Amino acid sequence: QQKVQQSPESLIVPEGGMASLNCTFSDRNSQYFWWYRQHSGEGPKALMSIFSNGDKKEGRFTAHLNKASLHVSLHIKDSQPSDSALYFCAVVDSNYQLIWGSGTKLIIKP
Amino acid sequence: GPKVLQIPSHQIIDMGQMVTLNCDPVSNHLYFYWYKQILGQQMEFLVNFYNGKVMEKSKLFKDQFSVERPDGSYFTLKIQPTALEDSAVYFCASSSLAGGQNTLYFGAGTRLSVL
Repeated sequence: QQKVQQSPESLIVPEGGMASLNCTFSDRNSQYFWWYRQHSGEGPKALMSIFSNGDKKEGRFTAHLNKASLHVSLHIKDSQPSDSALYFCAVVDSNYQLIWGSGTKLIIKP
Repeated sequence: GPKVLQIPSHQIIDMGQMVTLNCDPVSNHLYFYWYKQILGQQMEFLVNFYNGKVMEKSKLFKDQFSVERPDGSYFTLKIQPTALEDSAVYFCASSSLAGGQNTLYFGAGTRLSVL
């Protein structure tokens, strides 16, 4: 059974700083990885996906995947107050099911 | 972007009553999902639905739960009877294709309070 764990549980970053969120998974056959973001009072929204080892950059957001170490991370450069949200890592397992982590609460302090 | 609409946004009912949560998925999507979230924590998968049938369901999808989408109208989650532990925010999602590698589009959720 795939386990997806996120760290830290919560994170406070000053405005303009770099936020780094981590996610580990247990199934070595996992192929596809998502970051979803949920603002308060809303549903989650897909931020980006990654499936190849290495970095994938979209604007201020960079996802990094290392399948050998069972680790995926999200880095947010030049953090803005609007980036304050709950961030979920979700991993597609060998049955093509999406397994969610428990989330990291990110607070950007002006 | 594509929008999923959920009605109502908040529902308060007494334990033992029936409740129906409604979802209007993205118009050309074929795959529909319900998730449960308690206190802004983990998203817990309940069920997915395609072509009039339940494709997958989790242990959280109790016998008291049912889903349907009659004649392309709302995709609904019915709970009958409700229990105190059903209090949560329920999110509907839809996708155009099957499989976790496809983007899920979520509604804003229905907050269910069972008293």
